[in-house]
Amino acid sequence: SAVISQKPSRDICQRGTSLTIQCQVDSQVTMMFWYRQQPGQSLTLIATANQGSEATYESGFVIDKFPISRPNLTFSTLTVSNMSPEDSSIYLCSVESAYEQYFGPGTRLTVT
Amino acid sequence: QKEVEQNSGPLSVPEGAIASLNCTYSDRGSQSFFWYRQYSGKSPELIMSIYSNGDKEDGRFTAQLNKASQYVSLLIRDSQPSDSATYLCAVNTGNNRKLIWGLGTSLAVNP
Repeated sequence: SAVISQKPSRDICQRGTSLTIQCQVDSQVTMMFWYRQQPGQSLTLIATANQGSEATYESGFVIDKFPISRPNLTFSTLTVSNMSPEDSSIYLCSVESAYEQYFGPGTRLTVT
Repeated sequence: QKEVEQNSGPLSVPEGAIASLNCTYSDRGSQSFFWYRQYSGKSPELIMSIYSNGDKEDGRFTAQLNKASQYVSLLIRDSQPSDSATYLCAVNTGNNRKLIWGLGTSLAVNP
């Protein structure tokens, strides 16, 4: 399985600002995914990020709010833009390796 | 709408017992099935994957898949307090490699 790191691990941000979350993998992977998990809830897929192409967003998520970069096969960023308290959540990146998904440790975001 | 359903629990079992977690899915074309464990405040951890009908065993864990009945289960033998967590079922329908997630079953193993 891949080793995945995320930065920052947590942050407290003011409404109206933006936060960029980084996801780094120790091996080259084709597919990366960004999820959001509200407290006590299951996982909600935000978008799929493949290197060399535009991210594919799920219903309810738009590029202007959650721009994603995927500059190479080991790195991706998710930006949460113009934040509101409703964006308070845990954000998780995952990668696919041998048809299985593995998760990073997550970023706990609180918007005040 | 493709769905994955799990009993939310909590499922409570005594230490040493067998814990049985169940998951049903709606898309008959689903191809891959996964069980993740998530401790409170942590990210999901893959514990089992299963792709064909029957049983797959890994240590104290056994995944069971029945595609005709569209269910997948996870058995945990000799349950330990450290098994107390939320168990998430995820299904890959083959489209875009996305996983469809259940809401999770909370398991409590009582010493």
